[in-house]
Amino acid sequence: QKEVEQDPGPLSVPEGAIVSLNCTYSNSAFQYFMWYRQYSRKGPELLMYTYSSGNKEDGRFTAQVDKSSKYISLFIRDSQPSDSATYLCAMGIQGAQKLVFGQGTRLTINP
Amino acid sequence: DGGITQSPKYLFRKEGQNVTLSCEQNLNHDAMYWYRQDPGQGLRLIYYSQIVNDFQKGDIAEGYSVSREKKESFPLTVTSAQKNPTAFYLCASSIMGPGANVLTFGAGSRLTVL
Repeated sequence: QKEVEQDPGPLSVPEGAIVSLNCTYSNSAFQYFMWYRQYSRKGPELLMYTYSSGNKEDGRFTAQVDKSSKYISLFIRDSQPSDSATYLCAMGIQGAQKLVFGQGTRLTINP
Repeated sequence: DGGITQSPKYLFRKEGQNVTLSCEQNLNHDAMYWYRQDPGQGLRLIYYSQIVNDFQKGDIAEGYSVSREKKESFPLTVTSAQKNPTAFYLCASSIMGPGANVLTFGAGSRLTVL
């Protein structure tokens, strides 16, 4: 079993839809939870960063962490074609230099 | 602008040849990393370095080598011992201490073995 599981998709939705992307994990020591966005043939860029359980909102994006269920989510409201990318979840432990990444979900927003 | 520069963007190699991928950063970050990305497998850590002249193996270090002679530079050599080297290679950097989990990535280098 992988330490972090993420549905690779692909996921295709119409413009304006609410998108939900999810990751589950097995290591209860994870404290930091991140979402990276990666456009085709580019490097990933940090989208959201959360510490421990709870919600964090940034514009149309909301990151949710449920440590009791070992489950994190990224919600995208009013999705736009420019949101079409691969979304990677990543997790880390304080004091440890390594991150563990999910497989990435390829998302397409259709105009 | 501060960032990470990877070169070359595309590289073709014949079997049995070693190739070196360049990674340079001007962010003044102490830590640097090399990841490999394959379709459906996410990012896997090859090597990382927290300080000049020191580096640690990641999860898939076999067939790769690195050096860290300068803080700004962390080149990766893909040796002929790497059995399946065709992949997208990503270099990243971060600060040490609080915030160390936040990585800044380069644009990547795509290696194809012919």
